[in-house]
Amino acid sequence: RKEVEQDPGPFNVPEGATVAFNCTYSNSASQSFFWYRQDCRKEPKLLMSVYSSGNEDGRFTAQLNRASQYISLLIRDSKLSDSATYLCVVTVNDYKLSFGAGTTVTVRA
Amino acid sequence: DVKVTQSSRYLVKRTGEKVFLECVQDMDHENMFWYRQDPGLGLRLIYFSYDVKMKEKGDIPEGYSVSREKKERFSLILESASTNQTSMYLCASIWNAGGVYEQYFGPGTRLTVT
Repeated sequence: RKEVEQDPGPFNVPEGATVAFNCTYSNSASQSFFWYRQDCRKEPKLLMSVYSSGNEDGRFTAQLNRASQYISLLIRDSKLSDSATYLCVVTVNDYKLSFGAGTTVTVRA
Repeated sequence: DVKVTQSSRYLVKRTGEKVFLECVQDMDHENMFWYRQDPGLGLRLIYFSYDVKMKEKGDIPEGYSVSREKKERFSLILESASTNQTSMYLCASIWNAGGVYEQYFGPGTRLTVT
């Protein structure tokens, strides 16, 4: 079983729509959780950290459910520029970051 | 501005060649990483280093070695390139303060082994 699993998508949504997707992780000792964004043929960049209480950054909301071992990302009022692959990242310690394979989101005009 | 650079964006090598991929960071980070990224598999850790001259194997170290002679530079070496090492290689360094992490990636090297 993979340490971090994501629905690969693609999620095709119209501009202005809300899109949400999850990521599950297998290691209950996981400590920190992140969403990264990766544009086509570019390197991943940190989108946001995910905190136990849930957190919001503009149109993006991240949630953590430790009991069920998943994190989620919700994008409100989608923009064309939100089209990207979103990587779920889970850490066990300073050196062990596990990446999901990514969820592709395409926002259409 | 934070910077991780890699020596090449695109590289084509022949089977059996020795390949060097260089990574340099200017943030004085102690921890540096090499990953490969393949479709459907996500990023997989090859090696990491937590200090100069220190290295640890990641999940898929076979066929690779690394070198960290200076804090800012972390090199990945393919001793004898094979076609199954065709991939995107990403270098990264980590900033960690009190359990808050941010991993900075280089632009990646797309390696093709023919």
